[in-house]
Amino acid sequence: DSGVTQTPKHLITATGQRVTLRCSPRSGDLSVYWYQQSLDQGLQFLIQYYNGEERAKGNILERFSAQQFPDLHSELNLSSLELGDSALYFCASSIRQVAAGNTIYFGEGSWLTVV
Amino acid sequence: DAKTTQPTSMDCAEGRAANLPCNHSTISGNEYVYWYRQIHSQGPQYIIHGLKNNETNEMASLIITEDRKSSTLILPHATLRDTAVYYCIVRTGGAGGTSYGKLTFGQGTILTVHP
Repeated sequence: DSGVTQTPKHLITATGQRVTLRCSPRSGDLSVYWYQQSLDQGLQFLIQYYNGEERAKGNILERFSAQQFPDLHSELNLSSLELGDSALYFCASSIRQVAAGNTIYFGEGSWLTVV
Repeated sequence: DAKTTQPTSMDCAEGRAANLPCNHSTISGNEYVYWYRQIHSQGPQYIIHGLKNNETNEMASLIITEDRKSSTLILPHATLRDTAVYYCIVRTGGAGGTSYGKLTFGQGTILTVHP
């Protein structure tokens, strides 16, 4: 158990809908990362927050948004869903923003299926 | 972040050591070498990381060459449960830049442990 908690574990929704994925980082971790993994793609970095502020952006679509709240949990909002958004979404956390010597730990992911 | 090159797949007999190579010839002085693994559709699991010196923990050993251009992850006594995709990642540390410490995943090495 990495200590990173993601909910829901599985979600099935229809095209055009909106969903919210939730992540609770490990206790004491200030930085949260979101990744997407679809069948035909590897692990793609989406976005990173540190202590409530956006710090780095990757291949995140405009239909997607995220935020980190004062209690440090984070939410990833996916809207106008398309079939191609079906994927595993992982949240990860680390204690600091930078300093490569600190480790990033991943949650078990949220399976999103768009039908 | 520096790119890494790993073999697409490797096999190992149960009980034997698994040696997974990684080339990172463009690594710079402040970049750490990280190893993660992903067992089918689970969250990536941290294994080990290092900067210059060889490292060992309860899961594995990491051997980094003196010029830091390559490394080897060693699983000393592979079991069937070690069958997974293994990712070698180099990660920038320090303030500044745009990576802010995120992990960039490549395709990894599919390790299959046989009975």
